[in-house]
Amino acid sequence: GAVVSQHPSRVICKSGTSVKIECRSLDFQATTMFWYRQFPKQSLMLMATSNEGSKATYEQGVEKDKFLINHASLTLSTLTVTSAHPEDSSFYICSAEKPGTAISYNSPLHFGNGTRLTVT
Amino acid sequence: GQQVMQIPQYQHVQEGEDFTTYCNSSTTLSNIQWYKQRPGGHPVFLIQLVKSGEVKKQKRLTFQFGEAKKNSSLHITATQTTDVGTYFCAGGSEKLVFGKGTKLTVNP
Repeated sequence: GAVVSQHPSRVICKSGTSVKIECRSLDFQATTMFWYRQFPKQSLMLMATSNEGSKATYEQGVEKDKFLINHASLTLSTLTVTSAHPEDSSFYICSAEKPGTAISYNSPLHFGNGTRLTVT
Repeated sequence: GQQVMQIPQYQHVQEGEDFTTYCNSSTTLSNIQWYKQRPGGHPVFLIQLVKSGEVKKQKRLTFQFGEAKKNSSLHITATQTTDVGTYFCAGGSEKLVFGKGTKLTVNP
């Protein structure tokens, strides 16, 4: 099956620093990747849609200057949490659509393992 | 905006009992997808339903898509300890919207 690799799996940083999270599709090219945030015991909240070669599309309420997304190649998207604060502590998870698997508007998503961010 | 409600939030069963989780959308969906997230893991795609009234089976799992394409259900027959995890539905139109999930625990 399709594999999406996310790195790092866990990071602890100090308040005010920036953290970069990488999401790679290992065995397919992904023109579209998605970044989610998952709070404890809650669902996946879509933060933004990352499009290769163009600007990301952010969901309402998500600060684009705080959560910088770059999708520079067909296999790599990065999320940078800038000037992190304790309230940014969460589980961030990326996903990618594998081309050619859609039988409808939405392709099934292949998720990375997630990144547990703790800001102290 | 589009909302996807999922119930129950938690379900605890004895091994061998059946389990069902329900998903309802405020709008008509083009498709519905189901994912399973094991404790400490990431969501894994299970199935996608597209047609009105569609029913699909995967071994002990039965997935249904309502006639109006606004609701769906996942039924597990004779649960096993390997079924533990959180089951999410995701309703699709312009984009996928995830339900809050149903966390299933199974007592051996």
